[in-house]
Amino acid sequence: EAAVTQSPRNKVAVTGGKVTLSCNQTNNHNNMYWYRQDTGHGLRLIHYSYGAGSTEKGDIPDGYKASRPSQENFSLILELATPSQTSVYFCASGDADWGAETLYFGSGTRLTVL
Amino acid sequence: GDQVEQSPSALSLHEGTDSALRCNFTTTMRSVQWFRQNSRGSLISLFYLASGTKENGRLKSAFDSKERRYSTLHIRDAQLEDSGTYFCAAEVTNAYKVIFGKGTHLHVLP
Repeated sequence: EAAVTQSPRNKVAVTGGKVTLSCNQTNNHNNMYWYRQDTGHGLRLIHYSYGAGSTEKGDIPDGYKASRPSQENFSLILELATPSQTSVYFCASGDADWGAETLYFGSGTRLTVL
Repeated sequence: GDQVEQSPSALSLHEGTDSALRCNFTTTMRSVQWFRQNSRGSLISLFYLASGTKENGRLKSAFDSKERRYSTLHIRDAQLEDSGTYFCAAEVTNAYKVIFGKGTHLHVLP
């Protein structure tokens, strides 16, 4: 069974603080993604990765960095968190070389920036 | 830019009735995937289609194989547990990009 695990499930941060959201997948998928979900916008792609060592900008990368140190792990980093980054964040892995043939999602991380 | 338009944005229906959700694409798509988000916020994959139709219990999805410009999700005999937000996500042809619709909020009433 494909598994994508996100941590933490919930996070409260202060403005200007650093936040790291972690994602681990046991699917051995090359592709991994970070999305944020906001009412009225659906899911929007922040960063994605083709494999270990690779990170690519998605549609809304500003204010976020990503790190893919291994096949299994993909982190989303907010160096200076702002209240506008309050959202629910989803990580996903995909099992196709070109695009994401099927996406497997984590359960989400609810981030509140005060 | 490339867009996925999901309709309706919200829908209320009574138990036992049927419904259809739709996603229109502004460009041809390689594939489409449908998800349901439950009350805890987790996303559950329902269908992945590169063409044709798929069926699973009371759910059935179709992807327009000719022009690849829309997809539908049919829910037959709606149950209370079908309530939630449904998303479609489409993979753009010849581009490394998956675009999500904004979701349909489905509320099944007793």
